[in-house]
Amino acid sequence: EAQVTQNPRYLITVTGKKLTVTCSQNMNHEYMSWYRQDPGLGLRQIYYSMNVEVTDKGDVPEGYKVSRKEKRNFPLILESPSPNQTSLYFCASSLSYGRAEREQFFGPGTRLTVL
Amino acid sequence: SQQGEEDPQALSIQEGENATMNCSYKTSINNLQWYRQNSGRGLVHLILIRSNEREKHSGRLRVTLDTSKKSSSLLITASRAADTASYFCATRETSGSRLTFGEGTQLTVNP
Repeated sequence: EAQVTQNPRYLITVTGKKLTVTCSQNMNHEYMSWYRQDPGLGLRQIYYSMNVEVTDKGDVPEGYKVSRKEKRNFPLILESPSPNQTSLYFCASSLSYGRAEREQFFGPGTRLTVL
Repeated sequence: SQQGEEDPQALSIQEGENATMNCSYKTSINNLQWYRQNSGRGLVHLILIRSNEREKHSGRLRVTLDTSKKSSSLLITASRAADTASYFCATRETSGSRLTFGEGTQLTVNP
């Protein structure tokens, strides 16, 4: 089944404790991205990747890191989480972007709480 | 204000009625996409309309795009209670590869 998976789905952690949220897609998609969703602010893009070893900042990259060593995986790293990073996080992927773009497929979301 | 703003923020209708949601944006775009989200779940792609297209249909969905007014509308005909969800528009700007989402319209369809 074609899908985007995220792990964990729920995480409660404490300030400063490094964490990684994994994202994996099995559709051989080139483009992957991370979003956070907060009430009243909609979805905001954190980072995106247009292919292996190619990543770029979105609208809210501060406090986050990503890597794209393989095509299928795009982990989101919080080196020192803070309470303002409490949010619902979504990973997404698409076959391509720009003029040839097709739909984005979203993962089920990771609800993160930083105490 | 943000790229990709939906209007209204909330809409409540009766089953069988049509629902219209609007999206306005500010910059030049490659395409505009509509997504649906059930509470707390991931987003599901509904339809993508390119900048050189004016109207697109998919089942009970009809999307229009007016690039001169920088606006789009999503029409859901003969709504059902199962259409209750949040609907987001997203714009792919020509200047970059980011996809920018609006804050969404919460649609409630009452049985």
